[in-house]
Amino acid sequence: DQQVKQNSPSLSVQEGRISILNCDYTNSMFDYFLWYKKYPAEGPTFLISISSIKDKNEDGRFTVFLNKSAKHLSLHIVPSQPGDSAVYFCAASVGINDMRFGAGTRLTVKP
Amino acid sequence: DGGITQSPKYLFRKEGQNVTLSCEQNLNHDAMYWYRQDPGQGLRLIYYSQIVNDFQKGDIAEGYSVSREKKESFPLTVTSAQKNPTAFYLCASSVGTGYNEQFFGPGTRLTVL
Repeated sequence: DQQVKQNSPSLSVQEGRISILNCDYTNSMFDYFLWYKKYPAEGPTFLISISSIKDKNEDGRFTVFLNKSAKHLSLHIVPSQPGDSAVYFCAASVGINDMRFGAGTRLTVKP
Repeated sequence: DGGITQSPKYLFRKEGQNVTLSCEQNLNHDAMYWYRQDPGQGLRLIYYSQIVNDFQKGDIAEGYSVSREKKESFPLTVTSAQKNPTAFYLCASSVGTGYNEQFFGPGTRLTVL
């Protein structure tokens, strides 16, 4: 039972444009959401998070939006850079020990 | 440097052999986790530990065992009972209280021949 879904396995954007990565979840008990970035042969690194009491969190070029009614999460990267090319995982949790990950979206930013 | 180390990076074993994957952290984190990643799937939780000498099963614990004798170390043993052991294994740690992100090690790719 996949509670966190990233329906787009890949996304390609031009350098300087906006990248939008999407994530849907089914468990309405999730109250903390995170995005991780992963390069090949490395572990994921934390990128940005948002709690369920907010609908937006911004950190530099990265903004996460949360739509609780739609059970939808998105990550916006503006402007996209070639170094952003990686696999991005969405994760959601109820408390600290029940974190569920999506399957990931491979972002390619073309120069 | 604070961080999480996993060794080795690549590991090959014959079918039927147990194998232990190492995970060490010097972040002084209380909680540690083991995940498995398969192609096209998200990370799936195998085991986690919130404190020394205590650990809990995750979603896919069958065929695996862990120990947490020290705060810094959380080794994972892949036993011969695990039907599909070939995968990428990731160890993570977190502060352990409240809502905190998990920090991941570089992973170990296990191939069972």
